[in-house]
Amino acid sequence: SAVISQKPSRDICQRGTSLTIQCQVDSQVTMMFWYRQQPGQSLTLIATANQGSEATYESGFVIDKFPISRPNLTFSTLTVSNMSPEDSSIYLCSVWGRGFQETQYFGPGTRLLVL
Amino acid sequence: LAKTTQPISMDSYEGQEVNITCSHNNIATNDYITWYQQFPSQGPRFIIQGYKTKVTNEVASLFIPADRKSSTLSLPRVSLSDTAVYYCLVGVGANNLFFGTGTRLTVIP
Repeated sequence: SAVISQKPSRDICQRGTSLTIQCQVDSQVTMMFWYRQQPGQSLTLIATANQGSEATYESGFVIDKFPISRPNLTFSTLTVSNMSPEDSSIYLCSVWGRGFQETQYFGPGTRLLVL
Repeated sequence: LAKTTQPISMDSYEGQEVNITCSHNNIATNDYITWYQQFPSQGPRFIIQGYKTKVTNEVASLFIPADRKSSTLSLPRVSLSDTAVYYCLVGVGANNLFFGTGTRLTVIP
């Protein structure tokens, strides 16, 4: 399995500001993903973080709002830009590949509240 | 994209066996069936994965009929700590990414 950490674990932000969430894995992984989980809801895939190229976004998510970086095989960031209260959610990163069985492993999540 | 359907919620008493069924009528030939468990304020945790027939590990069993259009997660003798949301996903490799509604299991003392 993989050990995944996220920073910050939680934050309270003001409307109109931006927050960058970091995801660090303890070993190299093939793929990294970012999810959003709104209160009481299931997980929704935001994008696949691609190393060395632009992220691949799912329908309803755009790069201007959720820029993603992945500079190497163990690290990725997700920025939530120009935040509004509707962005209040838990943001989770997950990883897949490089010797793992056919499944994902998730980080602990970042709980974001936008006022 | 294979879609899954699960009951929204289930209640069970401590010590009972719990079976959660997931329907996936459009499962593709290469798709695996994977179950995750999520506690409040935590990321989902892998429980079990299978392709056909029966898979068992130290936590659960997964039963998959021959047509693979459904699967059943079986939790033996549940305890209060098994109260969580359980998700069923179907897919292969990095395409196994899309979560359905999940089943909220509440274990009652």
